[in-house]
Amino acid sequence: KNEVEQSPQNLTAQEGEFITINCSYSVGISALHWLQQHPGGGIVSLFMLSSGKKKHGRLIATINIQEKHSSLHITASHPRDSAVYICAGNTGNQFYFGTGTSLTVIP
Amino acid sequence: EAGVAQSPRYKIIEKRQSVAFWCNPISGHATLYWYQQILGQGPKLLIQFQNNGVVDDSQLPKDRFSAERLKGVDSTLKIQPAKLEDSAVYLCASIRAGGRAGELFFGEGSRLTVL
Repeated sequence: KNEVEQSPQNLTAQEGEFITINCSYSVGISALHWLQQHPGGGIVSLFMLSSGKKKHGRLIATINIQEKHSSLHITASHPRDSAVYICAGNTGNQFYFGTGTSLTVIP
Repeated sequence: EAGVAQSPRYKIIEKRQSVAFWCNPISGHATLYWYQQILGQGPKLLIQFQNNGVVDDSQLPKDRFSAERLKGVDSTLKIQPAKLEDSAVYLCASIRAGGRAGELFFGEGSRLTVL
């Protein structure tokens, strides 16, 4: 069993929809990271959080330490949001990655 | 601030040939990682360096893979001989502090196709 699990694996949405991607983890972590990977592109860090909630533009990340769960929300989704979203947790310099959620936003 | 640089971006080789990938992390980043990402999967750690020392290479297939970071700055990952199952994207990443993990910065990746 992977230390970090994401759901769903694949997600298709209409432009403008509200999107939620979930992440749960089974190990103790210092911080939870949400990463974005566009097709053929590198991985970009969206958020690093250890408690509460962070917001950047249309993206919101939340974490519940007690439940070992995090969510990434995208409001008013746009086709340019189409990418793979990866959840990762770290303990010190060791990182645990989920397998990613492939999001496709249809115009 | 320049990002993590990787080269080449793409490489196609025949099985049993050799290949080398290069990575230059962000200046001042002591910790450097090489990850292998197979299509549809998350990154899998191959090797982690702290300056020029190896921290974790437990998942590196040492019979064919090797990596070095001789001066604690840039790093090279080599595969020799390559197998079909080595087809993947090889990602280099770095973080700033040695003792505390911060934001992880990735390069664009090197996509390897083994025929």
